[in-house]
Amino acid sequence: DVKVTQSSRYLVKRTGEKVFLECVQDMDHENMFWYRQDPGLGLRLIYFSYDVKMKEKGDIPEGYSVSREKKERFSLILESASTNQTSMYLCASSFAGGADEKLFFGSGTQLSVL
Amino acid sequence: EDKVVQSPLSLVVHEGDTVTLNCSYEVTNFRSLLWYKQEKKAPTFLFMLTSSGIEKKSGRLSSILDKKELFSILNITATQTGDSAVYLCAVADSWGKLQFGAGTQVVVTP
Repeated sequence: DVKVTQSSRYLVKRTGEKVFLECVQDMDHENMFWYRQDPGLGLRLIYFSYDVKMKEKGDIPEGYSVSREKKERFSLILESASTNQTSMYLCASSFAGGADEKLFFGSGTQLSVL
Repeated sequence: EDKVVQSPLSLVVHEGDTVTLNCSYEVTNFRSLLWYKQEKKAPTFLFMLTSSGIEKKSGRLSSILDKKELFSILNITATQTGDSAVYLCAVADSWGKLQFGAGTQVVVTP
């Protein structure tokens, strides 16, 4: 079974702190994604990566950055956390190419910024 | 601007009822439409649809795509309490990037 693992289920941080959210997948997927999920807004794409050291902005990249130094790991960084970044963060991965864009998701990290 | 709209936003049904969920979309360079079920945290994959008029079926769940009218429906027959979840619709563009709708919350009461 494909496994996408997010390092924390719940996280509480203070405004202004630097926050790292880690995601690891074990299926050798090329593509990795970070989404945030808010009530009534669904999943919104923050950043994605099609390869190591490669990153692309999604729909809402402001206030976030990412790092992909190894194929299996994709990190989301909040340089200076703010209260409007309180949300559920979901990491996902998928194979590149072909016709299968099916995403496999991690269990999510519920981040609260106080 | 690309968008994916799901309706209704929520519904409550009794066990045994049939449920129909709707997803309409406006996406440049459409490649496929996907349905996910989200019970606790991680959405789990249900269906991927690429061709119009071909129904995909898995047990009591089925889905169909209309690429001319730009929508899809997800049907759940003989609902059970275990079907209670948020159902997400997503549309992939030619790059494989997915745009999600807001989801439909389904509550099945005993």
